[in-house]
Amino acid sequence: GENVEQHPSTLSVQEGDSAVIKCTYSDSASNYFPWYKQELGKRPQLIIDIRSNVGEKKDQRIAVTLNKTAKHFSLHITETQPEDSAVYFCAATLRGIQGAQKLVFGQGTRLTINP
Amino acid sequence: KAGVTQTPRYLIKTRGQQVTLSCSPISGHRSVSWYQQTPGQGLQFLFEYFSETQRNKGNFPGRFSGRQFSNSRSEMNVSTLELGDSALYLCASSLGGSNTDTQYFGPGTRLTVL
Repeated sequence: GENVEQHPSTLSVQEGDSAVIKCTYSDSASNYFPWYKQELGKRPQLIIDIRSNVGEKKDQRIAVTLNKTAKHFSLHITETQPEDSAVYFCAATLRGIQGAQKLVFGQGTRLTINP
Repeated sequence: KAGVTQTPRYLIKTRGQQVTLSCSPISGHRSVSWYQQTPGQGLQFLFEYFSETQRNKGNFPGRFSGRQFSNSRSEMNVSTLELGDSALYLCASSLGGSNTDTQYFGPGTRLTVL
């Protein structure tokens, strides 16, 4: 089936600490895993993505790791800042007919950075 | 480049009515996907259009339909509105040549059904 589980649903960390959000997916054919950040009242914005031929990707304070065998991927935010407070969504895209895209999203994690 | 735009931004309708939402993708993008976002269900995939053809479909009733025009602009229609259709409707565009293309979201249309 098509399912993406995301944990935790809420996460509160002290400014400067690290935050980790984990997702698991059910379809072994999934080959693309984006992460989106959505601030209150705004559109989801892509912050980082990873494709199935890569195990880890880093962009400044943000990193994503992928374990295809275990079918899980994680978002790591280091040195958190107040502006990191938002809802974060993981997603997995399913392989379909050529080029066809279907993103299945996790339920979201509300991250709060405490000053 | 201009981002993805959606109109209208807000809509209030009553049960039984129908509604049409519009999405203009980033220039050069040929794929448009639609999502429904609610507090309870999160982001749910509705359908994807590419070159005026529906290429992928989610698990929504037939009251939800869409189309895409030759300039890649897309519309979605919801007929016989129900209270449960109240949600933020987001569209996202991508180049469309690969299922790993990045999707860029529009600001959404907030639909309220009374």
